[in-house]
Amino acid sequence: EAGVAQSPRYKIIEKRQSVAFWCNPISGHATLYWYQQILGQGPKLLIQFQNNGVVDDSQLPKDRFSAERLKGVDSTLKIQPAKLEDSAVYLCAWGGARDTQYFGPGTRLTVL
Amino acid sequence: EDKVVQSPLSLVVHEGDTVTLNCSYEVTNFRSLLWYKQEKKAPTFLFMLTSSGIEKKSGRLSSILDKKELFSILNITATQTGDSAIYLCAVLGADGLTFGKGTHLIIQP
Repeated sequence: EAGVAQSPRYKIIEKRQSVAFWCNPISGHATLYWYQQILGQGPKLLIQFQNNGVVDDSQLPKDRFSAERLKGVDSTLKIQPAKLEDSAVYLCAWGGARDTQYFGPGTRLTVL
Repeated sequence: EDKVVQSPLSLVVHEGDTVTLNCSYEVTNFRSLLWYKQEKKAPTFLFMLTSSGIEKKSGRLSSILDKKELFSILNITATQTGDSAIYLCAVLGADGLTFGKGTHLIIQP
């Protein structure tokens, strides 16, 4: 089943640096999500796109996080500047039939 | 605010045992409940449940939803070491998809 590719798979940065993650749907998916999963927790929704429009970004810390979806296909998530508490796995997911969501491999971010 | 509580948080059993994982929830405008298995990074989809009392089954895994009592269980029979993972329960409601903390299941040979 077609899914999403994410890059990079791992990233280590120092606090106050900037970082960007990419999500590339392998085939066209109208709905795309970014989640943050801190160690020991379940994934937490950051932002939901429908095509290239934002549906829900209520839990996105907009003072440092930003996201966009280009032409309703690829998406980027940026953190600027990073804090120690941003260390987490960042998961991109796409919406399947009837409310199911399928996850990409994720990017593990470590902020030192 | 939607809430999902899973129990136990961790469980260690021997290969061949049967396990039951629990998920209770409080959610506004319930639409569905989903179970995922997370081994390394990406959660992989197991089941989606929308109706009470209808068991979903896939091999040795099965799940059922009780919308009156607001909970779901995931059963795994004849466990194997490959079942070792974190099992995540998530509920789709007014706040989008809300996940529990997961149950960390370890199957010992």
